[in-house]
Amino acid sequence: GGIITQTPKFLIGQEGQKLTLKCQQNFNHDTMYWYRQDSGKGLRLIYYSITENDLQKGDLSEGYDASREKKSSFSLTVTSAQKNEMAVFLCASSINWGYEQYFGPGTRLTVL
Amino acid sequence: QQQVRQSPQSLTVWEGETAILNCSYEDSTFNYFPWYQQFPGEGPALLISISSVSDKKEDGRFTIFFNKREKKLSLHITDSQPGDSATYFCAASGRGGSAKLIFGEGTKLTVSS
Repeated sequence: GGIITQTPKFLIGQEGQKLTLKCQQNFNHDTMYWYRQDSGKGLRLIYYSITENDLQKGDLSEGYDASREKKSSFSLTVTSAQKNEMAVFLCASSINWGYEQYFGPGTRLTVL
Repeated sequence: QQQVRQSPQSLTVWEGETAILNCSYEDSTFNYFPWYQQFPGEGPALLISISSVSDKKEDGRFTIFFNKREKKLSLHITDSQPGDSATYFCAASGRGGSAKLIFGEGTKLTVSS
């Protein structure tokens, strides 16, 4: 078994601020993902990384940057926080692209 | 646009009843359909999945029925328990380069005792 750790659990920032969310997995999975979950909505893909040196934009990448520092870690940066992007940000990993995804507990973002 | 739709948005059943959650999709190239269960404050967890070569997949009290012609599937939860109260997401993807998961908006299930 393995686990996905997301830090912080709660993130509060000011409008316009640059904020970074971190994700670590110990599954030894190749592929990692960042999703955004708005209240009462489904998950939308922001960025994904198929292997350690790869970075791909998802459907919702505008306003975000991502970085795959090493195989086990994947960070997401909100470049200029806006009130309309208050949501839960979920990190996931899979053994490879197209395989079952395992999710972390999420980071809840509040923008003041 | 690729879409996955779920209904109802919310569902309440009594303990012991069968809950039926519905899902439909548009893209005929989708061939993998996982269902995720999410409790408040947690990330989604894979519950059960089916590929398009099957019309039924069973795992304990959870069964997926799949109708490829109509592009519809449903999740049946028999003998529902209060611990099943959660939000259930249907997702869909193709394989290979089109393996991005597309999620529905979820069905919030409440099981009353």
